[in-house]
Amino acid sequence: EDQVTQSPEALRLQEGESSSLNCSYTVSGLRGLFWYRQDPGKGPEFLFTLYSAGEEKEKERLKATLTKKESFLHITAPKPEDSATYLCAVVNYGGSQGNLIFGKGTKLSVKP
Amino acid sequence: AAGVIQSPRHLIKEKRETATLKCYPIPRHDTVYWYQQGPGQDPQFLISFYEKMQSDKGSIPDRFSAQQFSDYHSELNMSSLELGDSALYFCASSLAGGSYEQYFGPGTRLTVT
Repeated sequence: EDQVTQSPEALRLQEGESSSLNCSYTVSGLRGLFWYRQDPGKGPEFLFTLYSAGEEKEKERLKATLTKKESFLHITAPKPEDSATYLCAVVNYGGSQGNLIFGKGTKLSVKP
Repeated sequence: AAGVIQSPRHLIKEKRETATLKCYPIPRHDTVYWYQQGPGQDPQFLISFYEKMQSDKGSIPDRFSAQQFSDYHSELNMSSLELGDSALYFCASSLAGGSYEQYFGPGTRLTVT
C-alpha cells in the first residue's frame, strides 16, 4: 500500500535556527513528490515538485531534496512567518489522473 | 494570477439535509480534484474529473456525487448529511499531461449540526 510518513509531527524553532523536515514514502511507482504549506483553515499552498532522485528545488529560505526513499525540506534561518503546517504528498502510477496521497504533515512554529 | 475559486466559503447544515459545493478551476485547467480534510487530519482524496469525465474515485461516500460542467467548473453534491461530514472541503485544479501540480482553492468549511 502506498504510504507517506512525515517527521517530526511538530517542530519548534527559534528565529534563525535552521532545520529539516523529513518525508519518507513507499509507493508502487513515483510520478512526483510535492511539498505544500498550509496555514490554519486555508487551502494548501503549492511549494515544490520533485520528480527524480537527486533533484533539488529552492525558494527563498526553503530547499527541497529527493532520494529514492525520502525527501527533505530544509529551512534556512527561518522567520516567524514561516510558521505553518508543511505537507508532503506523492502521485503514483496507480491513479489515472494523479490524485495526491498526503502525509500527516509537520507543524512548524518559529518563535522570534 | 487567477486562483481556484470555491463557494460558499462556509456552510452550516442540519443532519439529513443536502449541500452543494462549487469549484471554479484556474483558467485553462482541465482537471479538478475534490479533497476532504477533517480536523487535525491530512486531506483525503474524494474524486477527480478530467474533461468533464470522472477520472478517479477515492474514499467518497455513496451519499456524495460530483460532476464537471462544460465550462470546467465542478460541483460536489452531498446528501443525507451526517455529523461526521463536518470538515473542510478543498477543490484543486491542474493541467492534464503536465506536471501533476495541483493548485488548491481556499476551501469550504461545512458544519453539520
